[in-house]
Order: sequence, then structure tokens, then C-alpha cells
Amino acid sequence: GENVEQHPSTLSVQEGDSAVIKCTYSDSASNYFPWYKQELGKGPQLIIDIRSNVGEKKDQRIAVTLNKTAKHFSLHITETQPEDSAVYFCAAPGMLTFGGGTRLMVKP
Amino acid sequence: DAGVTQSPTHLIKTRGQQVTLRCSPKSGHDTVSWYQQALGQGPQFIFQYYEEEERQRGNFPDRFSGHQFPNYSSELNVNALLLGDSALYLCASSLTWDTQYFGPGTRLTVL
Repeated sequence: GENVEQHPSTLSVQEGDSAVIKCTYSDSASNYFPWYKQELGKGPQLIIDIRSNVGEKKDQRIAVTLNKTAKHFSLHITETQPEDSAVYFCAAPGMLTFGGGTRLMVKP
Repeated sequence: DAGVTQSPTHLIKTRGQQVTLRCSPKSGHDTVSWYQQALGQGPQFIFQYYEEEERQRGNFPDRFSGHQFPNYSSELNVNALLLGDSALYLCASSLTWDTQYFGPGTRLTVL
């Protein structure tokens, strides 16, 4: 079946720094790649997604890049703020498999 | 516009019992998916319902069953509960196959 690996499992950055989280997948037929943010006690919230016909997508401080040849996609958060602290998940293909999650901690 | 809603918020059951969880999709969405999220892990896909039928299923035993109603709301049923069924159960709705929006989840504790 599909395998999605997410790294790192934890990430601690200083406020204002950038954070990068990477996911690799095995199903070359995957064509939709979402990223979710989950805060304590809440359901995952879609923050950005990308489709396979696009290499990069940006939304304010958040961007996602996709490398279909290497089968990986990454979440980039710039100018991190304390409210960015949460667990982030990637998923592929078509939401059937989630990565293990990355706990991001932004220190003031 | 209300997002995805789930009920109940929390539930405590004992081993061997049965449980029913409920989900109302986001307005305009016709597809509902269910996920199980154990503590510290990513969501695991259980199954997806579209047009009142199970369209796709993950690697979960038959003790897990579901239903979708004509108004697109859905139920997840789990029979013969095990301690390992303790988890956060998430419902997600969508209009297309892929872009899904999650509800707040139901926290199930099996004692």
C-alpha cells in the first residue's frame, strides 16, 4: 500500500525563523497533496494543498513545493509566530494515508 | 455556514459494548470519510461514503461499519469494542474526491 513518511517528527524554532517539513510518498499516481494543522483538542485544519500539475503554491507565510520526480513535497512556513505551534500532517494519495505528524514549537 | 459537526464530543464505553458516532457534513458536501486517530499518531482512514454507499475502505475489521443518509449525514458504528479502539474519531466531508474538511472529532475511551 501507499507509504507516507514525514520528517522531522519534532521541530523547534525561534519566533521569526523559517520552518520546513518534508513528506515522501511511494504511489506515483498521487496527484493531490494537502497539509493540515492540528491544534490540541481540535480536528485537523486544511492550511494549504497542491496538485501535481503545479510545482509550488504560496499563501501568505505558507508555501508548499512538490517534486514529483523525487516523490516528495514540503511545507514551508516563514516568519514563524507562536500561534504556528501545532502538529502538522501531510497526506497522500487522495487523503488515504497520513504522515506521522510533525510537532512544531515556536519559541517567543 | 456551519462546518463539519460531530456528536458526541466525548464518550466512555466498556469492552464489548457498541457505539455510534454521528457526523453532519459541511453545507454542499456530499462525501463523508471517517478516520481514527490514536494519541500521537496521524489519522488512519476507515472508510468513505458517497451516495449512501461505502466507496472505499481502509484496513479496518468488519466491527467498523457505517451509514450515510439521504441528507449526506453519516454514522460510524463500532461493535464489540476493544481497549485498542480508544481514539479520536474524525469525520471529514468533501465535494470532490480529495479536498476534505475535518470536524472536531469524538473522543472515545474504552475501559
